[in-house]
Amino acid sequence: KAGVTQTPRYLIKTRGQQVTLSCSPISGHRSVSWYQQTPGQGLQFLFEYFSETQRNKGNFPGRFSGRQFSNSRSEMNVSTLELGDSALYLCASSYQTGRDTEAFFGQGTRLTVV
Amino acid sequence: AQSVTQLGSHVSVSEGALVLLRCNYSSSVPPYLFWYVQYPNQGLQLLLKYTTGATLVKGINGFEAEFKKSETSFHLTKPSAHMSDAAEYFCAVSERKFYFGTGTSLTVIP
Repeated sequence: KAGVTQTPRYLIKTRGQQVTLSCSPISGHRSVSWYQQTPGQGLQFLFEYFSETQRNKGNFPGRFSGRQFSNSRSEMNVSTLELGDSALYLCASSYQTGRDTEAFFGQGTRLTVV
Repeated sequence: AQSVTQLGSHVSVSEGALVLLRCNYSSSVPPYLFWYVQYPNQGLQLLLKYTTGATLVKGINGFEAEFKKSETSFHLTKPSAHMSDAAEYFCAVSERKFYFGTGTSLTVIP
């Protein structure tokens, strides 16, 4: 069974640009969550989608957005990039939502903003 | 509100020695607790989880953790460290999303 696939693995962008990251969950999983990982802030929750609906959102500015398609694939978009957006962005998929549900993480997309 | 505290951002052990990584949680509801491991340039891999039932939870790669409600702890242990255990370890509490601790970097000395 294929794992969670995130593309691209690495990105370099310039301040002010926008970027789109992609996540393909494990087949059959309908929940996709996104996390930002930085040395200073650690792992922070961005948002969660389930069956194309945003179920939960973290404390990030509106420049961060996401969506989920009918095949459960998800994208997140960051507009007007800032240097502080440089991070590892991790996608996690789950079969369902729920506190006891295990999340499977992708390898992440390393975004560098210069 | 949920939160996790991992004591010790860096832990070094000798190969073959006991591994003990500490995690304390705060939760307004009965907690669901997880340990994840992250190898360099990789995502997170689930080691083990506690939801309900037996308080001693066994995971992959010889790791186990014990849920102690009275101490609000969920420490991760492994009897004998292996070089391949060197990685970053994250404790998390789940409440519709994961609240992660700041992580503990484990170094194994040959």
